[in-house]
Amino acid sequence: LAKTTQPISMDSYEGQEVNITCSHNNIATNDYITWYQQFPSQGPRFIIQGYKTKVTNEVASLFIPADRKSSTLSLPRVSLSDTAVYYCLVDTGEAGGFKTIFGAGTRLFVKA
Amino acid sequence: DAGITQSPRYKITETGRQVTLMCHQTWSHSYMFWYRQDLGHGLRLIYYSAAADITDKGEVPDGYVVSRSKTENFPLTLESATRSQTSVYFCASSDGTLNTEAFFGQGTRLTVV
Repeated sequence: LAKTTQPISMDSYEGQEVNITCSHNNIATNDYITWYQQFPSQGPRFIIQGYKTKVTNEVASLFIPADRKSSTLSLPRVSLSDTAVYYCLVDTGEAGGFKTIFGAGTRLFVKA
Repeated sequence: DAGITQSPRYKITETGRQVTLMCHQTWSHSYMFWYRQDLGHGLRLIYYSAAADITDKGEVPDGYVVSRSKTENFPLTLESATRSQTSVYFCASSDGTLNTEAFFGQGTRLTVV
């Protein structure tokens, strides 16, 4: 199983770009990289997913280098409401099913 | 209402009692999951199900039982609750396509006294 390593916490200010890097040295060929966001007292919510290079949606960008052993979630111009825990996941495919393995996540605190 | 719902949202029970947490989804997703989240930690997979009548263990299955007689429901039972099972429990579902996103419920906060 591919394990992920992320910083425990990060601080930022409103309006700044935030980059959260995740390492996943044992990622398998068929694995995708997925990021979730979790606010207090809520379930995680999907942010973005990618396989290689760069993926962008309306809320974030995901950068994945060629070796795929790491990935970086980029949040442009964060606001106070982006204060949350961000989880990097490597989906593990198995015959007949798959599991989603969550690590401890990165606690992002955005200050005014 | 469409989506995934958990009940109850809050539950206090005594050590040794059996308690069942309910999870219902309206998308007809094939996969459903149960996680627990302890204070300050990430989510740990308890059990998951690939379809009705198909379940499998996750990372921390001891002390828990699941069933899935219908696609839309995936109850989690603590056969004899212990204080170490005090946690927030999240149910999730996905359509089963490899590498697809999972949708989570709001969680059930369980306290065992």
